[in-house]
Amino acid sequence: DQQVKQNSPSLSVQEGRISILNCDYTNSMFDYFLWYKKYPAEGPTFLISISSIKDKNEDGRFTVFLNKSAKHLSLHIVPSQPGDSAVYFCAASGFGDDKIIFGKGTRLHILP
Amino acid sequence: DTGVSQDPRHKITKRGQNVTFRCDPISEHNRLYWYRQTLGQGPEFLTYFQNEAQLEKSRLLSDRFSAERPKGSFSTLEIQRTEQGDSAMYLCASTRSGSGQELGGYTFGSGTRLTVV
Repeated sequence: DQQVKQNSPSLSVQEGRISILNCDYTNSMFDYFLWYKKYPAEGPTFLISISSIKDKNEDGRFTVFLNKSAKHLSLHIVPSQPGDSAVYFCAASGFGDDKIIFGKGTRLHILP
Repeated sequence: DTGVSQDPRHKITKRGQNVTFRCDPISEHNRLYWYRQTLGQGPEFLTYFQNEAQLEKSRLLSDRFSAERPKGSFSTLEIQRTEQGDSAMYLCASTRSGSGQELGGYTFGSGTRLTVV
């Protein structure tokens, strides 16, 4: 069963506009959430994270929002740039768990 | 430090053969993880080590799979009697426990792509 769900396999966004990537989770024991970015032929790279005690975390152009009651999080990228074209993985971990559970990923295309 | 290194980058093998992959983590990282990624899926956890101790194994890790980290530095992942379903990208990651940001501090290697024909 998929505990971390990314229901949009791909997303296309015009350069300069906002990209919003969504993620849902089913395990209520998850208390730490992360986004990773992956380019072809490279391993995933950590982007941003959020603890369950917060509902928002911002780092430059990247903001992650967490809605615990809906078991939903989203990643906002503003403004979107060509270098943002990549696969984005939503991931989560439970308290005291030392591993991360990944979603299937969303491929983001930034259009010129 | 050049990051997490994985060798080989690509491996093509015949069904039934054994294969071994190597991962060299970042030198000060005491935790090492193995993940597997198949087409259209995200990375799936296989196992992890803290120093030389293997602390957790996923049920995905069948009896044909074995991982070692003999001196707490590099690690190997061996697959015996490979099957076509083993074709995947095998990713290694490392981090330093006690850093307070262990989970976000995962550094992944570029992976070993295995093709079983």
